Amino acid sequence: KQEVTQIPAALSVPEGENLVLNCSFTDSAIYNLQWFRQDPGKGLTSLLLIQSSQREQTSGRLNASLDKSSGRSTLYIAASQPGDSATYLCAVSQGGSEKLVFGKGMKLTVNP
Amino acid sequence: NAGVMQNPRHLVRRRGQEARLRCSPMKGHSHVYWYRQLPEEGLKFMVYLQKENIIDESGMPKERFSAEFPKEGPSILRIQQVVRGDSAAYFCASSPSERKQHTEAFFGQGTRLTVV
Repeated sequence: KQEVTQIPAALSVPEGENLVLNCSFTDSAIYNLQWFRQDPGKGLTSLLLIQSSQREQTSGRLNASLDKSSGRSTLYIAASQPGDSATYLCAVSQGGSEKLVFGKGMKLTVNP
Repeated sequence: NAGVMQNPRHLVRRRGQEARLRCSPMKGHSHVYWYRQLPEEGLKFMVYLQKENIIDESGMPKERFSAEFPKEGPSILRIQQVVRGDSAAYFCASSPSERKQHTEAFFGQGTRLTVV
């Protein structure tokens, strides 16, 4: 059974720091991995999707990497801003199954 | 192209009533997924549907919960005889086809159900 873990559960940093968010999964036979952002009381916004054959994806100040063999992904946020404050969720899907398995998320607070 | 639309955004029901949650997928999408987010918990998969078919309902409680995605109209998640433990945010996602490696899931804003 696939399990996804995100540690720490919360992080508070001053504005401008470069951040690394971690995600680990127990079954390396994944189809893809997706990072989402969730603002309080809102839905999920897809940030980046990494296919199992890829090592990383970039979008603006965000860079996500994937190491399937070790069951890990990291989301790198450069030059953090207060507007980056949100909960970040990692989710994996596996071949043969259409569902996403989510971590519990990491609540990020960027202080001005 | 409107995103995934869910309504209502907020729903309050008394114990024992029925709750109906609606989800209209993105235009051109024929696959719908329902997830539930309990307080302080991650999102948990409930059910995966295509038009007129339930493909995977392994995450849905066997009693009181049902889902459908008719040929015409939105997908409906129905909870009968609600209890306080059903209070949660219910999210719908859609995709254009069977999930491939490059297929992103797009989520709606969710319906926040409160049972009083």
